Amino acid sequence: ELKVEQNPLFLSMQEGKNYTIYCNYSTTSDRLYWYRQDPGKSLESLFVLLSNGAVKQEGRLMASLDTKARLSTLHITAAVHDLSATYFCAVDSFSGGSNYKLTFGKGTLLTVNP
Amino acid sequence: GAVVSQHPSWVICKSGTSVKIECRSLDFQATTMFWYRQFPKQSLMLMATSNEGSKATYEQGVEKDKFLINHASLTLSTLTVTSAHPEDSSFYICSAALLEAGWYGGYTFGSGTRLTVV
Repeated sequence: ELKVEQNPLFLSMQEGKNYTIYCNYSTTSDRLYWYRQDPGKSLESLFVLLSNGAVKQEGRLMASLDTKARLSTLHITAAVHDLSATYFCAVDSFSGGSNYKLTFGKGTLLTVNP
Repeated sequence: GAVVSQHPSWVICKSGTSVKIECRSLDFQATTMFWYRQFPKQSLMLMATSNEGSKATYEQGVEKDKFLINHASLTLSTLTVTSAHPEDSSFYICSAALLEAGWYGGYTFGSGTRLTVV
């Protein structure tokens, strides 16, 4: 059974600082997703990483994937208050027939303080 | 981009009644739809996967007779919570995907339904 571990689960940052969220997974997969969730809302897609070595950046967020290490990182640069949210990584895996499914990490609650 | 509409956004029902939640892919045909449940301050847990015209595949521990899933067309899936009880109160989220060339191009999530059973 695929396990997805995120850390840290809670992250309190000061504005302007940098930090990294880690996502480890237990079985082979070439596809990993990062999502943002604001309180009471559904998921917003941030990044889709489709191969080993993939790196994607959007604004102050940068995500990378190392399939050999089964590790993805979400790096936050010069955090601002608007980045406060819960961030989830999710790993795609074959579930039978012609289906795949996402397995989510527990999420990282990020709070950016002034 | 791909859009998935989920309705209603929130619903309050009495214990013992049934509630139906709709999930529609608006601008693409979804070969597969997924239903998740999320309890407060927890992650998303997959409940079931459904393919158009087929019976849904439920995850271990999910009661298929309680959570009825119908995927009658390539753009509509419904989740019916039957005989709802307070412990069924949760945030339910659907997502849709199109299988192309052997894998999904991505997963598009609905806006979620907050179910409260009183």
